[in-house]
Amino acid sequence: GAVVSQHPSRVICKSGTSVKIECRSLDFQATTMFWYRQFPKKSLMLMATSNEGSKATYEQGVEKDKFLINHASLTLSTLTVTSAHPEDSSFYICSARDRQGESGYTFGSGTRLTVV
Amino acid sequence: QKEVEQDPGPLSVPEGAIVSLNCTYSNSAFQYFMWYRQYSRKGPELLMYTYSSGNKEDGRFTAQVDKSSKYISLFIRDSQPSDSATYLCAMSRPDSGNTPLVFGKGTRLSVIA
Repeated sequence: GAVVSQHPSRVICKSGTSVKIECRSLDFQATTMFWYRQFPKKSLMLMATSNEGSKATYEQGVEKDKFLINHASLTLSTLTVTSAHPEDSSFYICSARDRQGESGYTFGSGTRLTVV
Repeated sequence: QKEVEQDPGPLSVPEGAIVSLNCTYSNSAFQYFMWYRQYSRKGPELLMYTYSSGNKEDGRFTAQVDKSSKYISLFIRDSQPSDSATYLCAMSRPDSGNTPLVFGKGTRLSVIA
């Protein structure tokens, strides 16, 4: 089945630094990648939708200058948390659907970000 | 009214029990319905994927969709401790793949040995 590889699985960074999270679709072409944030014991909150070769669409309340999304190819999308603060600490998950759209959405394994 | 309603639980059952998980929704445009299982600190894993109304069975799991009632269910037979996780229902409209899923809040399930 479709696999989305997400790295890193866990990262600790200092306040003010930037962190990049990568998601790769391993055996299909992901025209669209979705980025979510999840707080403990809460459901997934959609942050943005990225389409290959175009600018990402951000959900209301999500700062696009803080959460930079790049989707330069059909198999790779990245989320960069810039000038991270402790309140950015969360679980970030990407999701993709293959180009044919005939199967469910596949999720990455998630990245736990801790900003100290 | 939220687009998708799901009882967050927690739900605790003995090993071997039949588990019933449910979601209701308000948007009649939804055509694709999914159930995901999420273990703690992991990404959601697709369990069942159904289109429109009807039943779908895969091993111990059965998904049901009743579009007339806007109600979907996931049944787990012979539940195991390894089934302990959060179960998320999700749904989407027909599209080219650009529409994000709409999730329920998730139901936390514990299967006690």
